[in-house]
Order: sequence, then C-alpha cells, then structure tokens
Amino acid sequence: EAQVTQNPRYLITVTGKKLTVTCSQNMNHEYMSWYRQDPGLGLRQIYYSMNVEVTDKGDVPEGYKVSRKEKRNFPLILESPSPNQTSLYFCASTSLEVYNEQFFGPGTRLTVL
Amino acid sequence: SQQGEEDPQALSIQEGENATMNCSYKTSINNLQWYRQNSGRGLVHLILIRSNEREKHSGRLRVTLDTSKKSSSLLITASRAADTASYFCATDEIGKLIFGQGTELSVKP
Repeated sequence: EAQVTQNPRYLITVTGKKLTVTCSQNMNHEYMSWYRQDPGLGLRQIYYSMNVEVTDKGDVPEGYKVSRKEKRNFPLILESPSPNQTSLYFCASTSLEVYNEQFFGPGTRLTVL
Repeated sequence: SQQGEEDPQALSIQEGENATMNCSYKTSINNLQWYRQNSGRGLVHLILIRSNEREKHSGRLRVTLDTSKKSSSLLITASRAADTASYFCATDEIGKLIFGQGTELSVKP
C-alpha cells in the first residue's frame, strides 16, 4: 500500500531534550516536505527536499533541522525543543515527474513542556 | 507566507444541501489544489485544477478557478454527514504548497 508513515504519532517531551520525528514513504517520491499545523495559523511549511541530499527552508525553519540521506526517509530533528514547537506535524511527499497531489502522513502530535 | 485564504471559516449545513467554499490567493499560480482533513488527521488530496482550466469535476465535487480574480471555489453537492471535515486550498509555488487556513464544514444528519 502506498503510504507515508511517521513516528512517533504522539510525543510529550521537555524543553531542550533533542528529538527526531521520522518520516518514510514507499512511493519512490523525489519530493518530501514537513509542515506544522497550529490553530488559527493553518499549515506552514518547515523544510522541504527535492531529492537526496537536497534540502531547503520553508516558511518556518527556525529550531528545526532535516536530512535526506536516502530517498525514502526525511527525518525532522529538533535539537533543543521549546514550548512554542508544540504542534501537529505532518510529513508529505510527491513525485516531481508527475507533480500532482501531495501524500500526507498521519501526523505527529508533539507537546514540549 | 499565507497564500490562500478560505471563506467562510466555518460552515454548517444539513445533509443533502450543497456546500460552497471559496479560496482567494495573491500571486500567479501553476495549479491550485483542494485537500480535506478529518479532525487531527493527515490531509487527503481531493482535486487539482491547473491555471489554464476553469472548471473541474470529481464525483460530487466541482471546482472552479478564476485566475483574473485569483479565486477558486469548491462545491460539494448533496452533502453527507461523512463530509464533515476541514477543507483547505493550496497553491503551488516552485514545488511547495502554500495552504490557506481552511474552512470547517459541519454537515448535520
């Protein structure tokens, strides 16, 4: 089944404790992206990647890192999480050959205390 | 940067009625997409309309695009309780999507 998976789905952590949210897709998509969703602010893009070893900042990259060492994986790293990073995070992917819809993961709800 | 803005922010209708949601955007686009999100879940792609298209249909969905007014509308006909969700428009900017804040649709049985 074609899908985007994220782990963990729920995470409660404390300020300053490094964490990684994994994202994996099985559709051989070149393009992957991370979004955060906050009430009243909609979805905002954090980082995106057009292909392996190619990443770029989205609209709200501060406090986040990403890497794209393999085509299927696009982890989101919070080196020193802060409470303002409490949010619902989504990973998405799409093919650039037939750029069309983005496929979204189920979301990761992160709470930083 | 926020590109699409949906209107209304919330819409409540009875089952069987039609629901219309509007989206306005600011810059030139390659295409405009509509997504649906059930509460707290991932977004699901509904339909894409390209900048050279004016109208597109998919089942009970009808999307229009007016590039001169920089606006799009999503019409859901004969709504069902299962259509209750948030609906987002998204514009394509060099391979990244910029989402509006969404319309919350509630369809009462």
